[in-house]
Amino acid sequence: DGGITQSPKYLFRKEGQNVTLSCEQNLNHDAMYWYRQDPGQGLRLIYYSQIVNDFQKGDIAEGYSVSREKKESFPLTVTSAQKNPTAFYLCASSMRRDRGNEQFFGPGTRLTVL
Amino acid sequence: QKEVEQNSGPLSVPEGAIASLNCTYSDRGSQSFFWYRQYSGKSPELIMFIYSNGDKEDGRFTAQLNKASQYVSLLIRDSQPSDSATYLCAVTPFTGGGNKLTFGTGTQLKVEL
Repeated sequence: DGGITQSPKYLFRKEGQNVTLSCEQNLNHDAMYWYRQDPGQGLRLIYYSQIVNDFQKGDIAEGYSVSREKKESFPLTVTSAQKNPTAFYLCASSMRRDRGNEQFFGPGTRLTVL
Repeated sequence: QKEVEQNSGPLSVPEGAIASLNCTYSDRGSQSFFWYRQYSGKSPELIMFIYSNGDKEDGRFTAQLNKASQYVSLLIRDSQPSDSATYLCAVTPFTGGGNKLTFGTGTQLKVEL
């Protein structure tokens, strides 16, 4: 059953803690992305990776870090430097080819800072 | 000026009617356009994508693109209560994959019985 999985579904963090959100895909997609969504807002890009061992900052990368050691996995770490981390975090993936850049999303992780 | 603009709504239509959702974008170099549906508390799901000027139909959905006027729209025919959701428009200046999308803030659609 192909798809994108994210874990955990809900995550609670104390201020000053780093937390890591998991994203795994078995679609054989080359590119993966992390977005953040705040209530009533659109999606904002945090980081994206077009290929293993390479990634680029998106529009709101400050306070976040990522790694891409395997094609299937793109974990996101929310560090204590992120001032307002409470949000809905969405991971997506896509192929890398001409006219084939549709992005597909995982179910999301809802992070709350206590 | 926002890069991708959508009316936040809510847009209310009666069941069976045509719902028309609009999106304008500022980057004239945009090449690929996407419509996503997002139910409350869930992740976005891709409905349609369009690259060329004109209409593209898929079942009850039609995407319309006008690059000269910099707008893309989504028509939903025979609207059903299950279509009630937020619809997100996304654009990118790239034709290839692996590149960033810019999203609008979405239009909330309510289909009333």
